[in-house]
Amino acid sequence: RKEVEQDPGPFNVPEGATVAFNCTYSNSASQSFFWYRQDCRKEPKLLMSVYSSGNEDGRFTAQLNRASQYISLLIRDSKLSDSATYLCVVNGGSYIPTFGRGTSLIVHP
Amino acid sequence: GAVVSQHPSWVICKSGTSVKIECRSLDFQATTMFWYRQFPKQSLMLMATSNEGSKATYEQGVEKDKFLINHASLTLSTLTVTSAHPEDSSFYICSARDGTGEKLFFGSGTQLSVL
Repeated sequence: RKEVEQDPGPFNVPEGATVAFNCTYSNSASQSFFWYRQDCRKEPKLLMSVYSSGNEDGRFTAQLNRASQYISLLIRDSKLSDSATYLCVVNGGSYIPTFGRGTSLIVHP
Repeated sequence: GAVVSQHPSWVICKSGTSVKIECRSLDFQATTMFWYRQFPKQSLMLMATSNEGSKATYEQGVEKDKFLINHASLTLSTLTVTSAHPEDSSFYICSARDGTGEKLFFGSGTQLSVL
């Protein structure tokens, strides 16, 4: 089993749609969790951290379920500019970051 | 947020030559930097963890004699691809943790093409 697994993509949605990505991790000792966004041939950029209480940043909501070792990202009112690959990142006990494969999102008009 | 500068952005070289990629943390000290490689439509693959003042820790399957890492100061790590071959063509990205030790900030990446 891979350490960090994400939904297979691509997700192809119309503008204005709500889309959710899931990520599961295998290391129960993982300390911190993040979602990154990566555009084609660009470096990943931090989208948001993920907290146990759940957190929201504008149209983006992240949730963490430690019991199920599960992280989610919800995007509301999708924009064309949201098209990208979304990476789930989990920091282990020694803060070595482990990346998921990424989920590709395509938002079309 | 923290700024990580990576150079060059792209490089084309002949097979057998060596290529050096630099990664600098501009506004913070990075005791640890990470080097990744990414092939088209694939995930980031951690190659090695670069530790200031000590030897790098390489991931399984990564040849340490081929991918030389030097982290001589708290703001600079370099990756040298020695005797590059076409199969080394890839997108190489460095990253460093910020002061909290949790968040990662990435360099802009280096696209290496070996002819």
